[in-house]
Amino acid sequence: KAGVTQTPRYLIKTRGQQVTLSCSPISGHRSVSWYQQTPGQGLQFLFEYFSETQRNKGNFPGRFSGRQFSNSRSEMNVSTLELGDSALYLCASSLTGATDEQYFGPGTRLTVT
Amino acid sequence: AQSVTQLDSHVSVSEGTPVLLRCNYSSSYSPSLFWYVQHPNKGLQLLLKYTSAATLVKGINGFEAEFKKSETSFHLTKPSAHMSDAAEYFCVVSEWLSGSARQLTFGSGTQLTVLP
Repeated sequence: KAGVTQTPRYLIKTRGQQVTLSCSPISGHRSVSWYQQTPGQGLQFLFEYFSETQRNKGNFPGRFSGRQFSNSRSEMNVSTLELGDSALYLCASSLTGATDEQYFGPGTRLTVT
Repeated sequence: AQSVTQLDSHVSVSEGTPVLLRCNYSSSYSPSLFWYVQHPNKGLQLLLKYTSAATLVKGINGFEAEFKKSETSFHLTKPSAHMSDAAEYFCVVSEWLSGSARQLTFGSGTQLTVLP
C-alpha cells in the first residue's frame, strides 16, 4: 500500500505571498491531519479533516486554512505568508481519526524569505 | 487540558546499552498514548501505542513502553541500543474532545544519540 504523499517537498516563497500544500492519504483513510513543525515551537496541530469536514482546529490564525476532497486528498493554504511560517508541514492520515495511529508523510519544507 | 512533558531533550547512550526516554502526561480523561520516531528529513513513524489494554506495550524495533497511571508516565525503553536508533522521539497524547473531535498533543521531543 502506498504511504502518505505530500507535494511539493520543498518550497521557497516570499513574504506576503500565499501557498498551497497537498497531501494524499493512504488509500482507505478518511482522516487527514496537518501539523506545523518548527525548532522553536515543536510540533503543533493545525487541523483535522474527516469526510470533507473540518473536525478539529488548532490555535492558528485564519491565514491557515484547509480543505478535503471527496477522495480524501487534502490541501492546506497559507495566505499572506510571514517569515515565521517557515516550517516543516506534516500531513498524517488515519482510518477514522479516533484513537487510530496516524501515518505521516515526509513533509513539505516551506521557507519564507 | 492535556499536556505532555518529555523530561530529557537529549539522551546519549553507547551502542548495546539500554535506552530510557521519559515521558509524563496530564490528561482529564483516559488518554491514548503514542511514541513516534523521526529520522532526519523524514516524517514521523509510529513506534507503539497504548489504548487502555495491556499496560506494557511492545512496539517495533525492540522498543516497549509501560503505562503507569499512578505516576502519569509512559516511558519508552529498549534493552540494547543500535546505531540506527539515533533519531528524535516524540511522546504523544490523544484525548477525545466533545463529539467526534480529538486533540493530539506532542511532547517537545528527545534527541537520542547512540555512540559507537
